[in-house]
Amino acid sequence: DGGITQSPKYLFRKEGQNVTLSCEQNLNHDAMYWYRQDPGQGLRLIYYSQIVNDFQKGDIAEGYSVSREKKESFPLTVTSAQKNPTAFYLCASSNSRTSGLYNEQFFGPGTRLTVL
Amino acid sequence: RKEVEQDPGPFNVPEGATVAFNCTYSNSASQSFFWYRQDCRKEPKLLMSVYSSGNEDGRFTAQLNRASQYISLLIRDSKLSDSATYLCVVNRPDRGSTLGRLYFGRGTQLTVWP
Repeated sequence: DGGITQSPKYLFRKEGQNVTLSCEQNLNHDAMYWYRQDPGQGLRLIYYSQIVNDFQKGDIAEGYSVSREKKESFPLTVTSAQKNPTAFYLCASSNSRTSGLYNEQFFGPGTRLTVL
Repeated sequence: RKEVEQDPGPFNVPEGATVAFNCTYSNSASQSFFWYRQDCRKEPKLLMSVYSSGNEDGRFTAQLNRASQYISLLIRDSKLSDSATYLCVVNRPDRGSTLGRLYFGRGTQLTVWP
């Protein structure tokens, strides 16, 4: 089955700790994205990557870091510098070779992070 | 001004009703448009793209008015399973991305009751 997987589904973190959220896709998509969703809010872009070893900041990158060492994987680290990290984190991917500015994105099931 | 604005609802309708959602976008450079559906505590899933001429997929009809920067979604013969939040999504060019960037509305909540 092709798709996007995120783990873990639920994550609890103590204040002051860094935590890494996993995102893996086997769709052979070039582009991958991280969004954050808060209750009653639209999705906000944290980071995105169009090719391996390259990534760009989104609107709310402060307190987060990413890496893109493999095409299939785009992990997100939530650092202790992120002031309000409790949220629903969604990873997405799209196929840059066919989408162009159409940019249809497919989402993983998400990770709910709660800071205690 | 927000990139994408939607009426948050909630819309509560009986089964079989017709319901319409509206959305406006602020940037005239926006080039592609979508409606996503998001069930409670789940990820968004693409419902349909929106084309300039308008398009229909079964009970769902999407319309785009570029002059007014307005997008709509019409659901006919509502089913209980249509209960969800509907996200209006717009893609526009972005300096850092050859694909452009998606901008999401906050979503419109729909509940269909028996």
